[in-house]
Amino acid sequence: DQQVKQNSPSLSVQEGRISILNCDYTNSMFDYFLWYKKYPAEGPTFLISISSIKDKNEDGRFTVFLNKSAKHLSLHIVPSQPGDSAVYFCAASVTSGTYKYIFGTGTRLKVLA
Amino acid sequence: AAGVIQSPRHLIKEKRETATLKCYPIPRHDTVYWYQQGPGQDPQFLISFYEKMQSDKGSIPDRFSAQQFSDYHSELNMSSLELGDSALYFCASTYGLIYDGYTFGSGTRLTVV
Repeated sequence: DQQVKQNSPSLSVQEGRISILNCDYTNSMFDYFLWYKKYPAEGPTFLISISSIKDKNEDGRFTVFLNKSAKHLSLHIVPSQPGDSAVYFCAASVTSGTYKYIFGTGTRLKVLA
Repeated sequence: AAGVIQSPRHLIKEKRETATLKCYPIPRHDTVYWYQQGPGQDPQFLISFYEKMQSDKGSIPDRFSAQQFSDYHSELNMSSLELGDSALYFCASTYGLIYDGYTFGSGTRLTVV
């Protein structure tokens, strides 16, 4: 049973426009969420996080929104740049546990110049 | 800045052979996590260590074992390799059991033939 789901395997966006990547989860115990970016042949790179006590966290061009009632989070990238082309994973954790993360299946973002 | 070092980067083994993957965390990091990412799949948590003790265990087969040494590096030992063990193996490190995104290594690509 996939506890963290990213239903869009791929997304193409024009440079300068907004990229919106979505993630849904089923476990209501999750209270900390992360987004990772992954380039081929490299390990995932941490992008941004959000705690369940917040509904929004912003860091430069990246904003993560959390809707706890819908068990949904999204990552907004504005403006999108060609260098943002990568696979994006959302991950969730229960912070009272041992901080292992459950990853989503990933969304491949392609930003077109 | 020093990153998480994994060795080897690539490894080819035959079925039923053994393999040892190594992970050297960022200096002063005392917590190591191992993840397995199969082709086209999301990273799956295998096992973690905090201060040289196993802190959590995920979907790690009984054929696999791991440990963390006094210098905090970790080794993942895999025996009786099967074709399905072919995957990218990532380790990540943090200092202490913290919530935020941890730093991943570039991974070891294991191919079992």
